[in-house]
Amino acid sequence: DAKTTQPPSMDCAEGRAANLPCNHSTISGNEYVYWYRQIHSQGPQYIIHGLKNNETNEMASLIITEDRKSSTLILPHATLRDTAVYYCIVRVAHLLTNAGKSTFGDGTTLTVKP
Amino acid sequence: EAGVAQSPRYKIIEKRQSVAFWCNPISGHATLYWYQQILGQGPKLLIQFQNNGVVDDSQLPKDRFSAERLKGVDSTLKIQPAKLEDSAVYLCASSLAGGPTTDTQYFGPGTRLTVL
Repeated sequence: DAKTTQPPSMDCAEGRAANLPCNHSTISGNEYVYWYRQIHSQGPQYIIHGLKNNETNEMASLIITEDRKSSTLILPHATLRDTAVYYCIVRVAHLLTNAGKSTFGDGTTLTVKP
Repeated sequence: EAGVAQSPRYKIIEKRQSVAFWCNPISGHATLYWYQQILGQGPKLLIQFQNNGVVDDSQLPKDRFSAERLKGVDSTLKIQPAKLEDSAVYLCASSLAGGPTTDTQYFGPGTRLTVL
């Protein structure tokens, strides 16, 4: 499975956009990019995922480069409640089992400051 | 819909004792995962079930850890005997697993294990 590289920590001012980068230079054609976040003392929470097109939902936007070697998660208007550890993972789908494998790294700790 | 349920939320045991964790996934989810998360690190996959069959247990320390998912619904993870380095949060997750676009994992709140 492809590995991901993320900066260990980032700060963002409340109300501003938070842009979290992720490098996945060894990603394969059938691997999706998933983003999760983990608020202190809770289980990880799904945010968004994509294959090669940019995606947007009510929580965030995902921008994937054309070569798919990196991506950026964008929280358009960060709030204090967005302070969390953000994980970028790539997910292989095993065609025989329809079940995917994924490896979590150590993520990026985003601190939103007032 | 109800989320992934786990119990207990906290457990303190002494080394060499045994412990078991329980997970009830979201209704209809075929795939169930157990992760170990050591403080300051990301979750590490221990075992993955597809219905009641094991898909991946390559990182499960099989000399002391075991897991089962009878009837393809609830699952139990057991540690016997526990070591100090087993202190961690044990997370359970489930996914619909109809393919990569429906393979989003939903996590439970976790069980925090402290081994003294």
